[in-house]
Amino acid sequence: QVQLVESGGGVVQPGRSLRLSCAASGFTFSSYAMHWVRQAPGKGLEWVAVMAFDGSNKFHADSVKGRFTISRDNSKNTLYLQMNSLRPEDTAVYYCARGPLLYCSGGSCYYGMDVWGQGTTVTVSS
Amino acid sequence: DIQMTQSPSSLSASVGDRVTITCRASQGISNYLAWFQQKPGKAPKSLIYAASSLQSGVPSKFSGSGSGTHFTLTISSLQPEDFATYYCQQYNTYPLTFGGGTKVEI
Repeated sequence: QVQLVESGGGVVQPGRSLRLSCAASGFTFSSYAMHWVRQAPGKGLEWVAVMAFDGSNKFHADSVKGRFTISRDNSKNTLYLQMNSLRPEDTAVYYCARGPLLYCSGGSCYYGMDVWGQGTTVTVSS
Repeated sequence: DIQMTQSPSSLSASVGDRVTITCRASQGISNYLAWFQQKPGKAPKSLIYAASSLQSGVPSKFSGSGSGTHFTLTISSLQPEDFATYYCQQYNTYPLTFGGGTKVEI
């Protein structure tokens, strides 16, 4: 069955780095864009980043731009989120989600979020 | 950025009730809107995309409508498993943005 499993979360001090992984199975990973979405404790959902199926395009939220980088390895069916210069406000559950293509316009393509992983928790604290 | 505003932020309802949640966009987003359901301690689940298209496997008691700046999610007959928080999300423009959520309680 279609499955996404996140890993790599943990407790980290402010200013340090962490890399999250999302292992995909049960579908053709290289045919889908992939998202990262996070949820701070007791708060709503915040989109973090998306990468096209072939890695040709990616977008990041302003709140993480320049600090976080989304990437993927289609040979390993794995999505990554490299998080540098972590801040306490980055504390959240991080989810990966599969992104079927919905439409393209103005040079950008937009993707849904139809399957989600169970999430991995990142805590940034001294 | 496009701001998504949901109302109400929470509501109380009974089993069998018809429930409607509203989502407003700060600018027109055509029908580029999705709805998600999230239960406590669980990952979100996709319900609807393109404002009114049901995701595969989602029961028909869920329906969505709207375009432009005003959207609604309706649950026709609330069941115990429907008590959850619901989020709208626009995909008209990057950055993608979510509404603040509507908690549906007993």
